[in-house]
Amino acid sequence: GENVEQHPSTLSVQEGDSAVIKCTYSDSASNYFPWYKQELGKRPQLIIDIRSNVGEKKDQRIAVTLNKTAKHFSLHITETQPEDSAVYFCAASKKGTNTGNQFYFGTGTSLTVIP
Amino acid sequence: DTGVSQDPRHKITKRGQNVTFRCDPISEHNRLYWYRQTLGQGPEFLTYFQNEAQLEKSRLLSDRFSAERPKGSFSTLEIQRTEQGDSAMYLCASSGRDQGTIYFGEGSWLTVV
Repeated sequence: GENVEQHPSTLSVQEGDSAVIKCTYSDSASNYFPWYKQELGKRPQLIIDIRSNVGEKKDQRIAVTLNKTAKHFSLHITETQPEDSAVYFCAASKKGTNTGNQFYFGTGTSLTVIP
Repeated sequence: DTGVSQDPRHKITKRGQNVTFRCDPISEHNRLYWYRQTLGQGPEFLTYFQNEAQLEKSRLLSDRFSAERPKGSFSTLEIQRTEQGDSAMYLCASSGRDQGTIYFGEGSWLTVV
């Protein structure tokens, strides 16, 4: 099955700096890569996603890049704010296939933005 | 609120007791998922329903665990003879017909004492 690895496990940045979280996946058939933000005691919430036919996607201060050849994808947060502090999870799945029902998650990155 | 809802949000039970969690997915979503999450880990897949049919089950889902979705709407996850290792947050999620993004509920926290 798919194996998703996520780094770093913890990340501290100064307010206003950028944060980058990286994930790798093992199954070349994976084609859908969402990112979730989870605040303490809350549900994981989708913040951005990318499909394998796209190399980059941006949404205001958040961007995701995908390198299919290397099988890795990254989350970029610019101009970080204290409210960005949370645990971020990457995930991979095979959307649109018979085995696309499982989303494989990374182990999470705890981001702290220091005011 | 039209999101995924779960009940109860918190459950403390004695080892050996049975517990049941309920999930109500987003109304137009035909796919429903159960995940388990422990502290410091990402969600781990347990099982998946398409309408009322349970199509996938993880090896994590021992025979003490059973999930149902009798009418293709809400789902229940029952854990029999709970063990301390079952302590976790049980997350329900749903997605639409295009196997799009999954949307999570707030989770049901289980503590087995």
